[in-house]
Amino acid sequence: AQKVTQAQTEISVVEKEDVTLDCVYETRDTTYYLFWYKQPPSGELVFLIRRNSFDEQNEISGRYSWNFQKSTSSFNFTITASQVVDSAVYFCALSEGSGGGADGLTFGKGTHLIIQP
Amino acid sequence: EAQVTQNPRYLITVTGKKLTVTCSQNMNHEYMSWYRQDPGLGLRQIYYSMNVEVTDKGDVPEGYKVSRKEKRNFPLILESPSPNQTSLYFCASSLVYRGPGHEQYFGPGTRLTVT
Repeated sequence: AQKVTQAQTEISVVEKEDVTLDCVYETRDTTYYLFWYKQPPSGELVFLIRRNSFDEQNEISGRYSWNFQKSTSSFNFTITASQVVDSAVYFCALSEGSGGGADGLTFGKGTHLIIQP
Repeated sequence: EAQVTQNPRYLITVTGKKLTVTCSQNMNHEYMSWYRQDPGLGLRQIYYSMNVEVTDKGDVPEGYKVSRKEKRNFPLILESPSPNQTSLYFCASSLVYRGPGHEQYFGPGTRLTVT
C-alpha cells in the first residue's frame, strides 16, 4: 500500500529564511507520481509540481525548489527567502501506476508553514 | 475558464437530513474524485469515477454515495449525515490515459457541518 509521511506538523520561520518541507513516501510500484499542493488560508488547493518516478532531476521554480531522491524515497520542498505569502499548509501526495490520475492521490497529513514578518 | 465547481460552498445541516453536494467540471475529464479533509489526517479519497457510469470506493466510502450519469457531473450524496461527516470536501478531476500521470484539478471545497 502506498503511504506519504510529512513528519513536520508545523514549521515557523522568520521572513527571508530558507525552509525545507520534508516528504517521505512508500510504494511498491516502479511507476509513480509525486505532487506538492499548497493550501493557503482561503482553503483552495493549489497545484505546485508533479514529478514522475523516472525523472530524478531537481527542479527550481523561482524561490521554490524540489529535491527528489529515490534512494531515500524522499521528495523535499525548499522555499528560499521565504515570504509571508508563503504561509499555508503544504501537502505532498503520491499516485501509483501509469495512469496517474486514475489511481487517486494519497496525501500526507500536511505541514503548516508559518512565515513571521 | 477551465475549472471544477462545487455547490454549496458552506452547509450546516442536522443529523439524518439527506444532502447532495454537486461537482461539475468543464474540462471533459474522464476521472473525477471526492476527498475529505480533516485536521491532522490530510485528504482522504471517498469515491472516484473513471468515466460515466463507472464508480468505485476510495479509502473512506462509508456513509457516502456517488453517481456519474454525465461526464461533467459527479455529485456526492449523504443519505443520512452524521456529525462525524463534518469535514471539508473537495471534488477533483483529471484526464485518464495510459501515460504520464496528470495533475488533479480541485474544486474550491465545501465545508460541511452536521449537528
